[in-house]
This record gives sequence, structure tokens and C-alpha cells, in this order.
Amino acid sequence: GAVVSQHPSRVICKSGTSVKIECRSLDFQATTMFWYRQFPKKSLMLMATSNEGSKATYEQGVEKDKFLINHASLTLSTLTVTSAHPEDSSFYICSASLPTSVVNEQFFGPGTRLTVL
Amino acid sequence: GDSVTQMEGPVTLSEEAFLTINCTYTATGYPSLFWYVQYPGEGLQLLLKATKADDKGSNKGFEATYRKETTSFHLEKGSVQVSDSAVYFCALSDVDTGRRALTFGSGTRLQVQP
Repeated sequence: GAVVSQHPSRVICKSGTSVKIECRSLDFQATTMFWYRQFPKKSLMLMATSNEGSKATYEQGVEKDKFLINHASLTLSTLTVTSAHPEDSSFYICSASLPTSVVNEQFFGPGTRLTVL
Repeated sequence: GDSVTQMEGPVTLSEEAFLTINCTYTATGYPSLFWYVQYPGEGLQLLLKATKADDKGSNKGFEATYRKETTSFHLEKGSVQVSDSAVYFCALSDVDTGRRALTFGSGTRLQVQP
């Protein structure tokens, strides 16, 4: 099946620093990737849709200048949390859909746990 | 807009008990329906899916049937195991709306005791 990886799996940073999270589709090309945020014991909240070669589409309420998304290739999307603050601590999950999938089945990365001190 | 409603958890069962997790949805189009499972500390894994009315998705002993008349996609398993303890998410994809992201329910935590 399609495999999506994320790196790092865990990151701890100081308040005010920036953190980059990578999402890779390992065995397929993903024209569209998605970034979600998950709070403890809560569901996934879509942050943005990342399209290869174009600007990401952000959900309402998500600060695009704070959560920078780049989808430079068909297998890599990155999320950079700029000037991180403790309230940005969360579990960030990416997913990718197969371009040929008519039902939009998505494959998820293992997630990145961000802790901002 | 589209939405997914799941039963509140946690659901606590003894091993070999029967499991039902209810899921209902609202959608403007004709969605595809999914169940995802999240084990502690991990990302989401697709458990099963159904793409049209009366389809039954099944995997690892879990089943769910796409019921258009009741807009439901309830997850069932005849005999749960301790290893089934996880959070289960019902989700839909409504590509007719042009939105490719999934819409998730709130998740239901299942705890299976030996």
C-alpha cells in the first residue's frame, strides 16, 4: 500500500524558534497533501491543503504566516511552525491522496509531536 | 456543510464482546465513507471503506455497511481483542463539493479489557 512518512516524529523546541516538519510519500507521487492538527483526545482539524507547485489553501482561522507550507515536489511537503509558542504544542499529521483515486482515499503519516517550552 | 457524528466514548468492553460504534453523516453530495484507526502515539490507518450505498467494507474482522437511507456507517466487530484498543474515526470524502480533504468525526476511544 501507499506509505507516507513524517520527520521528525517528536520535536521539542524553545518558544520563539521555528520548527520544520517534513511529509513524504515514499512510493507514489502526491499532487495533493493535507496537514492536520490533533489536540489531546480530540479529532483531527484540517489546517491546510498543500498542492504541488502552488500555494497552499488554508482553512479559516489558520494563520498562513505562522504555519508555512511548501510543496516543492510530488513527494515532499513541509510545514514550518514559525515563532513557535507553547499553544502550538500539538500532534501534527499529514496525509496524501493517490492522484488516481476516485474516492479520495488518503494515507496518513505517523504524526509529529511538537512540544514548545 | 458536510459533517460526521460519532458516538461519545470511551467504550469499554471485555475481550470477545461484540462491538458497535455508531456513525452518521450529512453530506451535500454522494460521499465515500471510511473508518480509520489510531493506536496510541501513532498516525491514522485506514481500517475499511465503502464508496456506494449498500457497500460493506470489511477488514480484520471489522465491518461497516453504507446505509444511504439512514445516512449511517456503523462499525461492528463480533469479538474484540485487547489489541483492538485504539481510537476509531469515521470520515467521509465528498469530492462532489470539490473538497478533497476528509471530514472526520470526533473519534471514539475503545478500551478492551482482558
